[in-house]
Amino acid sequence: GQQLNQSPQSMFIQEGEDVSMNCTSSSIFNTWLWYKQEPGEGPVLLIALYKAGELTSNGRLTAQFGITRKDSFLNISASIPSDVGIYFCAGSGGTSYGKLTFGQGTILTVHP
Amino acid sequence: DTEVTQTPKHLVMGMTNKKSLKCEQHMGHRAMYWYKQKAKKPPELMFVYSYEKLSINESVPSRFSPECPNSSLLNLHLHALQPEDSALYLCASSQDRLVSATFGSGTRLTVV
Repeated sequence: GQQLNQSPQSMFIQEGEDVSMNCTSSSIFNTWLWYKQEPGEGPVLLIALYKAGELTSNGRLTAQFGITRKDSFLNISASIPSDVGIYFCAGSGGTSYGKLTFGQGTILTVHP
Repeated sequence: DTEVTQTPKHLVMGMTNKKSLKCEQHMGHRAMYWYKQKAKKPPELMFVYSYEKLSINESVPSRFSPECPNSSLLNLHLHALQPEDSALYLCASSQDRLVSATFGSGTRLTVV
């Protein structure tokens, strides 16, 4: 099946720093999604991308759908302690019709 | 109502017990999902229901039995589980199978 390579696996940053993480795939997706998960909770959707080349912002978050449809990145600007959590990319469409394929996650730690 | 509600939040069961996990959404979504998640790993798809019919079963053992009584409800019946089945079980829903999914907070299952 399709696989997503998400990097980095973990990040330890100081409050105020910018963060960047990305996902790549060997096959195309029609939709890229970015989720954040905090301990004891389910993943929460941050940004959804539906068109190749699309660049979308949500507050301090910016994500892009790569033009090859095989990659996506998520940037967080001016990080704050509540940004702590696990960030997952997910793709759907292509050969994974009707289901989400998740990346392995990026564990973000923000030091005050 | 933009939530997916899962009950119970925590469940401890013996290997000979029978229990059920419940999921409810009132967003009019026609696709519903069960995922299994181990600590610090991405969610793994178990089942997909589309328009109340099972459309994807990811080769899940028969000790897990899904049921979709109506378009708002999704159950997961558990029987003769093993300790390795201990995990966070997440329910999700989406408008259809091609768009982003909304997740519930999950049921933390411990098999003893």
